[in-house]
Amino acid sequence: DQQVKQNSPSLSVQEGRISILNCDYTNSMFDYFLWYKKYPAEGPTFLISISSIKDKNEDGRFTVFLNKSAKHLSLHIVPSQPGDSAVYFCAASGRTSGSRLTFGEGTQLTVNP
Amino acid sequence: GAGVSQSPRYKVAKRGQDVALRCDPISGHVSLFWYQQALGQGPEFLTYFQNEAQLDKSGLPSDRFFAERPEGSVSTLKIQRTQQEDSAVYLCASSRRSQRGSYQPQHFGDGTRLSIL
Repeated sequence: DQQVKQNSPSLSVQEGRISILNCDYTNSMFDYFLWYKKYPAEGPTFLISISSIKDKNEDGRFTVFLNKSAKHLSLHIVPSQPGDSAVYFCAASGRTSGSRLTFGEGTQLTVNP
Repeated sequence: GAGVSQSPRYKVAKRGQDVALRCDPISGHVSLFWYQQALGQGPEFLTYFQNEAQLDKSGLPSDRFFAERPEGSVSTLKIQRTQQEDSAVYLCASSRRSQRGSYQPQHFGDGTRLSIL
């Protein structure tokens, strides 16, 4: 069973506009949610996380929103830049640093100049 | 550099051969994870170490997969009698111990791309 799902395999936006990447999960026991960015032939790079007790976390151009009742989170990138073009993975974790990450399938974001 | 280092970056082996993949975590990170990523998919958990102790190996797909971290630093993932379905990218990640409720994210290496012919 796929506990974390990213239903959009790809997203294309214009430079300067907002990018919104979505993620759904089924396991209500997850405590943290994370977004990773991945360039080809590189490992995933941590972007931003949010605790399950919060509904928003912001870091520069990146904001993550969590809707626990809907078991849904989203990553907003404003303004989008061509260098943001990459695969974005949503991941969910238990409470401690010893908890495994459960990943979605990823969304390929393309930001057009 | 100060990141997670994995070697080799690419490995080609014939079906039936044994392979060993190495991971050097970030210095001071007590938690170390191995993940397997198939083409077009997200990474999937294989196993977890806290220092030298392997606390969770529930994601290892078969008894041909074996991981160790004898001194609590470098880790090796070994695959015996490789099969074509073992072809994937193997990612290593490390993290600090959680402190005062502060979640410590995992940091990933660039992976080893394993191809079994």
